[in-house]
Amino acid sequence: SQQGEEDPQALSIQEGENATMNCSYKTSINNLQWYRQNSGRGLVHLILIRSNEREKHSGRLRVTLDTSKKSSSLLITASRAADTASYFCATDLKSLGRLYFGRGTQLTVWP
Amino acid sequence: ETGVTQSPTHLIKTRGQQVTLRCSSQSGHNTVSWYQQALGQGPQFIFQYYREEENGRGNFPPRFSGLQFPNYSSELNVNALELDDSALYLCASSLLAGGGETQYFGPGTRLLVL
Repeated sequence: SQQGEEDPQALSIQEGENATMNCSYKTSINNLQWYRQNSGRGLVHLILIRSNEREKHSGRLRVTLDTSKKSSSLLITASRAADTASYFCATDLKSLGRLYFGRGTQLTVWP
Repeated sequence: ETGVTQSPTHLIKTRGQQVTLRCSSQSGHNTVSWYQQALGQGPQFIFQYYREEENGRGNFPPRFSGLQFPNYSSELNVNALELDDSALYLCASSLLAGGGETQYFGPGTRLLVL
């Protein structure tokens, strides 16, 4: 079963707009990671946020974590057509190095 | 590029056959994890190898087995293939086996079982 669930399942926006994707999870975590996948290829690690962190930035990416609500969000600012991909959140239950992924959000950015 | 490589890139097998997939980890990484990603789904954890020993397994039957070699490269073997084994198989390497480590994924092997 999926530990995390992303919302929405699909998101379609114009270049220059911001894209926000949400992730909810079920059990307590030590960290949460966001990955990107282009067209069924390998996953690219975007950002890791630990349970004692509330917000983290990396370039045009901003990730927030609310452990009380068991949720995280990924914001991509000023989106580009090249950002078109599937985005997954992954949790590491019990810090064993085993990632549990949601079904992902398919982001399409139109030029 | 993550430095993690997988071979082959694509594979077609028939039901009942056996398959071996290979993964070379990023330099310096001693941990390899394998994931299965069915179409439209997120990756599912199969198992992890740390210093040549299995270090945890997901909800997959024993016909899914693996190996890790002294150079930390790894193999995933699947016996008695079933149609539902059709998927993208991803391996990921990390510096350590514990939690909080970033996992670096290879490009995957796409397996089709007919």
